[in-house]
Amino acid sequence: GQQLNQSPQSMFIQEGEDVSMNCTSSSIFNTWLWYKQDPGEGPVLLIALYKAGELTSNGRLTAQFGITRKDSFLNISASIPSDVGIYFCAGQGAGGTSYGKLTFGQGTILTVHP
Amino acid sequence: KAGVTQTPRYLIKTRGQQVTLSCSPISGHRSVSWYQQTPGQGLQFLFEYFSETQRNKGNFPGRFSGRQFSNSRSEMNVSTLELGDSALYLCASSLRWTGDLSSGNTIYFGEGSWLTVV
Repeated sequence: GQQLNQSPQSMFIQEGEDVSMNCTSSSIFNTWLWYKQDPGEGPVLLIALYKAGELTSNGRLTAQFGITRKDSFLNISASIPSDVGIYFCAGQGAGGTSYGKLTFGQGTILTVHP
Repeated sequence: KAGVTQTPRYLIKTRGQQVTLSCSPISGHRSVSWYQQTPGQGLQFLFEYFSETQRNKGNFPGRFSGRQFSNSRSEMNVSTLELGDSALYLCASSLRWTGDLSSGNTIYFGEGSWLTVV
């Protein structure tokens, strides 16, 4: 099946710092989604990307859909304590048996020190 | 508007039993997908229902099944529970089936149902 490599696995940063995480795959995707999950809760959608090269912002968050359709990154600027959580990328399959299915990265655990 | 609602939130079952989980999608959404989340395997796709028909299926054994009702509500069932079935089961809804990748057909998740098998 399709695999997504998400990095880094975890990050420990100081409040106010910028954060960057990315996902890569050997397969192409038609859509990239970024979610944040708090402990015991379901993932909450942060940003959705629908076109290769698309750059989208949501407040302090910025994400891009890679030109090759095989990668995406998420940046968080000026981090605050409530940014703590697990961030997941998800790619929506472009063809074959994976068409339309979401494949998730393993997640990036973000810890923000005040 | 109300989000994706899953019930129950927590449950404990014994090996060999069966369990049914329920999901009410966002009003107007016609697609419901189910995912299993475990620390070891992460988030894995189970199946998707759209207009009461299963449109997509992941790589899970036949013990995992689901259905969707005419009001778009969905249930998933796991029979003959095993210890390894302990997980957070997440339901997600979207306006159209997830094969429609057009802008606006975003997938929203519920808070999940925590299943512990003992």
